[in-house]
Amino acid sequence: DTAVSQTPKYLVTQMGNDKSIKCEQNLGHDTMYWYKQDSKKFLKIMFSYNNKELIINETVPNRFSPKSPDKAHLNLHINSLELGDSAVYFCASSQGLAEQFFGPGTRLTVL
Amino acid sequence: GENVEQHPSTLSVQEGDSAVIKCTYSDSASNYFPWYKQELGKGPQLIIDIRSNVGEKKDQRIAVTLNKTAKHFSLHITETQPEDSAVYFCAASFAGGGADGLTFGKGTHLIIQP
Repeated sequence: DTAVSQTPKYLVTQMGNDKSIKCEQNLGHDTMYWYKQDSKKFLKIMFSYNNKELIINETVPNRFSPKSPDKAHLNLHINSLELGDSAVYFCASSQGLAEQFFGPGTRLTVL
Repeated sequence: GENVEQHPSTLSVQEGDSAVIKCTYSDSASNYFPWYKQELGKGPQLIIDIRSNVGEKKDQRIAVTLNKTAKHFSLHITETQPEDSAVYFCAASFAGGGADGLTFGKGTHLIIQP
């Protein structure tokens, strides 16, 4: 009965590759998010998305793109991976402006 | 955009003592202030939140205070226990009705000494 799930939990890949991280929520929430947590534990919003709008943090490179096949899923696609993309990526969801529920995270390592 | 400053970065307290973590925010339009606890290898989990129409909120051993004029808010944990050891994040957001993300502080590593 996991609320927000992400796959994979660990992702190790070479520079230049393209990869995706999947996120699913079974809470019936209308808004989903992607956050990046760097090696110093700093959490930063990357995207927020509901069925009306996608808000992109202006500092996110356009190599990153969220894709939502339906209301319960928000996947993160990353093209041409770079060393600096290594981090833990968290998906979250909320119903309007209420508590954001976070997934367990995906640790991405770019070699 | 919003900027959230959090202090201290590390806090060590004796078991049973109180712990206080402080945050300031820059955008006076922010009106939602949650606190998250992150244990090693896990995602952040909400422990308490406060909205701008309230000055204080308490839930058992945890309390949050908000000073809108000074643009700062604080987390208070009383009677600390070993399981309170974790990284704590404050955050701020504006409930504009759209898809609003949270702006986080840089976190406080709370260590409870036995």
